[in-house]
Amino acid sequence: SQQGEEDPQALSIQEGENATMNCSYKTSINNLQWYRQNSGRGLVHLILIRSNEREKHSGRLRVTLDTSKKSSSLLITASQAADTASYFCATEDNAGNMLTFGGGTRLMVKP
Amino acid sequence: DVKVTQSSRYLVKRTGEKVFLECVQDMDHENMFWYRQDPGLGLRLIYFSYDVKMKEKGDIPEGYSVSREKKERFSLILESASTNQTSMYLCASISGSPHEQYFGPGTRLTVT
Repeated sequence: SQQGEEDPQALSIQEGENATMNCSYKTSINNLQWYRQNSGRGLVHLILIRSNEREKHSGRLRVTLDTSKKSSSLLITASQAADTASYFCATEDNAGNMLTFGGGTRLMVKP
Repeated sequence: DVKVTQSSRYLVKRTGEKVFLECVQDMDHENMFWYRQDPGLGLRLIYFSYDVKMKEKGDIPEGYSVSREKKERFSLILESASTNQTSMYLCASISGSPHEQYFGPGTRLTVT
């Protein structure tokens, strides 16, 4: 099964800075999604980008997708302490509705 | 509002016990999933179901079984719990296209 892999595995920044996380995957996809998980809680869907899209925005989030490189990035601008969480990318393949996740990026935003 | 609930947030069981983890969604979704999450390994799919009474093995089904008697409920069963099944278990259901997964809050299971 294909696997999204996030990079870096952990990131620590100061409040107000931007945070960039990357995701690479192996095979063709229908769409790619980013999720956030706060400590000890379930996953929350953040944003979905389709394979024919290159960039998408949602509030302070900006996601890019490069299907030629099989990679995506999640940018969080003007980070806040509340952004401290783990972030996962997940890919839906062309065959159907399966999502596979990587190990996540643990982001810490220091006040 | 979309909602996926799991029967327990924290659970402690002894080795050899039979364990039931229940998941309920109120969105009339057909597709439901059980994952386990371990540090450094991300989410790994245990089982999924596309319809009532239908189940498919995921990537790591060994030691688990599932039950889907009603559309809204998907149960994960550990027939004989072992210490290597200590983990966070996440249930999810998936909407129609585009396929977004909605996750429950998770059950942290400890097997001693």
